[in-house]
Amino acid sequence: EVQLVESGGGLVQPGRSLKLSCAASGFTFSNYYMAWVRQAPKKGLEWVATISTSGSRTYYPDSVKGRFTISRDNAKSSLYLQMNSLKSEDTATYYCARQRLWVSFDYWGQGVMVTVSS
Amino acid sequence: DIQMTQSPASLSASLEEIVTITCQASQDIGNWLAWYQQKPGKSPQLLIYGATSLADGVPSRFSGSRSGTQYSLKISRLQVEDIGIYYCQQASSAPWTFGGGTKLELK
Repeated sequence: EVQLVESGGGLVQPGRSLKLSCAASGFTFSNYYMAWVRQAPKKGLEWVATISTSGSRTYYPDSVKGRFTISRDNAKSSLYLQMNSLKSEDTATYYCARQRLWVSFDYWGQGVMVTVSS
Repeated sequence: DIQMTQSPASLSASLEEIVTITCQASQDIGNWLAWYQQKPGKSPQLLIYGATSLADGVPSRFSGSRSGTQYSLKISRLQVEDIGIYYCQQASSAPWTFGGGTKLELK
C-alpha cells in the first residue's frame, strides 16, 4: 500500500524558514517523480514543486521560485521542501504527492498545515 | 501558463441523478487531463487520468470524455459518497495547473 506521510508544519513568522518532510513507503521511491501541492484555507489546489527521480531536475511555479527548494533522499525514501522567505500567502495545507509525469498526481499524503503569521 | 476553467463552481443534485462537470483548457493539452475528488477534510484522490482512464478502485459510474479542449467528468448515478469537491488538472506541461473546483452537494 502506497503511503505518504508529511511532517514539519507549524506556525512561522513572515520572512522565516521552514522545512517539510515526506516519508514514502509501499513503492519504489526512486522510480517516481515526486511533488508538493498546496491548498490555502477554503481555496483550490496549487502545484508548488516537482523533482525528478534522481533529483537532478526540479520545477517550480513563479510564485515560489527562488524561495522554495525541493529535494529528495532516495536511500531514505524521503522528500523535502525547504521554504524560505515565507509570506502570509504561503499559508496552506501542503500535500506530498507521487507524480506520474504527463499523467497525474496519483497518490497524496494526508497533508501538513503551514501558517505564516506574526 | 495553461489556464483551466472549470464549471459550474457549485452543483446541487439528487441521488441517482446524472452529474456532469466540465473543464476548458486555454490551449491544446491533448489527453493530458486528470480529475480528482476531494471529500470534506480529506486529501484529493485521483479519479481519472489521460482524460478517459479510470484510476484503480474508482467506481465505473465515473467516466471522462474530451471534445477538443473541453473535458467532462460524468457521474452516471450520484451516490452519497460522491459528495465533495472535484478538480481538473492539466498534466501537459509545467506549471501544472488545476481548475478552480466544483463543489458537489446533495439536493
